[in-house]
Amino acid sequence: QLQLQESGPGLVKPSETLSLTCTVSGGSISSSSYYWGWIRQPPGKGLEWIGSIYYSGSTYYNPSLKSRVTISVDTSKNQFSLKLSSVTAADTAVYYCARHPYDFWSGYLNWYFDLWGRGTLVTVSS
Amino acid sequence: EIVLTQSPGTLSLSPGERATLSCRASQSVSSSYLAWYQQKPGQAPRLLIYGASSRATGIPDRFSGSGSGTDFTLTISRLEPEDFAVYYCQQYGSSPPGGTFGQGTKVEIK
Repeated sequence: QLQLQESGPGLVKPSETLSLTCTVSGGSISSSSYYWGWIRQPPGKGLEWIGSIYYSGSTYYNPSLKSRVTISVDTSKNQFSLKLSSVTAADTAVYYCARHPYDFWSGYLNWYFDLWGRGTLVTVSS
Repeated sequence: EIVLTQSPGTLSLSPGERATLSCRASQSVSSSYLAWYQQKPGQAPRLLIYGASSRATGIPDRFSGSGSGTDFTLTISRLEPEDFAVYYCQQYGSSPPGGTFGQGTKVEIK
């Protein structure tokens, strides 16, 4: 059964870069049928999509965060990663990784998320 | 950006009762690109419904989704003890690509 697990520092200082990794187990990140995404949820607030990546390296980013976000993939480790630069307290959130279906033959990308990790809390504080 | 408003914020019901959750969009959601998720404390969110009314793999048929345009509903026909959780809607028909999410409705035991 495929599972996603987020990992990374739980505390980041303001102005520094937040770095998280999502490890895919029980299946291959190189599947042609899925994109892999990051979503976050600030305390007491709603969910916000951050960005997504395909195993080939093709990416989509939320325009509201694009200038600060980099998502990369390491197929040899079955992982994908998030870097968010110049963080402030507003970036304090639970960060989730998730996957969403892609129809390789038609090129159609679905934007609902059919499998999620449990999430990891990242606090931005000095 | 489409804003999704979920109501009520909290729904207090007993096992066996019917739950009706609302998700209203600030603009029409194209092609009924609306999904529903369930989240329990400390667990990963779970996809229940996509395309407004299609159940995800393994989801019991007591969960059903309906609606179009700006008004969508998630119905749980008879609440089981494991259904008490927070439910989120997501529209993915318009920018940004990953869509936007509602604030959630908590279904709690009365």
